[in-house]
Amino acid sequence: DGGITQSPKYLFRKEGQNVTLSCEQNLNHDAMYWYRQDPGQGLRLIYYSQIVNDFQKGDIAEGYSVSREKKESFPLTVTSAQKNPTAFYLCASRLRKNTEAFFGQGTRLTVV
Amino acid sequence: QQPVQSPQAVILREGEDAVINCSSSKALYSVHWYRQKHGEAPVFLMILLKGGEQKGHDKISASFNEKKQQSSLYLTASQLSYSGTYFCGTDISSGSARQLTFGSGTQLTVLP
Repeated sequence: DGGITQSPKYLFRKEGQNVTLSCEQNLNHDAMYWYRQDPGQGLRLIYYSQIVNDFQKGDIAEGYSVSREKKESFPLTVTSAQKNPTAFYLCASRLRKNTEAFFGQGTRLTVV
Repeated sequence: QQPVQSPQAVILREGEDAVINCSSSKALYSVHWYRQKHGEAPVFLMILLKGGEQKGHDKISASFNEKKQQSSLYLTASQLSYSGTYFCGTDISSGSARQLTFGSGTQLTVLP
């Protein structure tokens, strides 16, 4: 049963702490993406990766970091440098350029 | 770099038609359309590749004018199930890069 899995669904953290969001896919997709969603602002691209051990910054990369050590996994770390981290985070993957993207169910991060 | 969508919100009665527009300041390879229900993952509707094609999917269709760097999504005889937020996503012509960027979304509400 192929798909893309994000965990956890809900995450609460104290201000100043780093937190890592998990994203795993078993679709054998090369490209993976992280988006942040805030009300009224759509999906904003944080980071994306085309192949293992390579990734590029998106439009709002400041305060975030990623790694791509395995094809299946693309974890996102929200660091203490991110000034307003509370948001809904979506991970996506796709086979190659100009093909459909598949999304995970998202992680809602709340920083208190 | 995000594509621009219009309108931001639409309210319809069941059976009415709607058009959602998407435009980019950069040359496009393809345009994607997704629908998202509140708190859920975006769901793929269709992808249009450059070539000025038009696609259809039940009573939802779309066009892509690559010269104008614009796409439009047409919802005909809308149903209650069409309610949600619609996003266009764009593949920018930039070599092998697989950056996939989304607009800010159009919130569609269909009333009985």
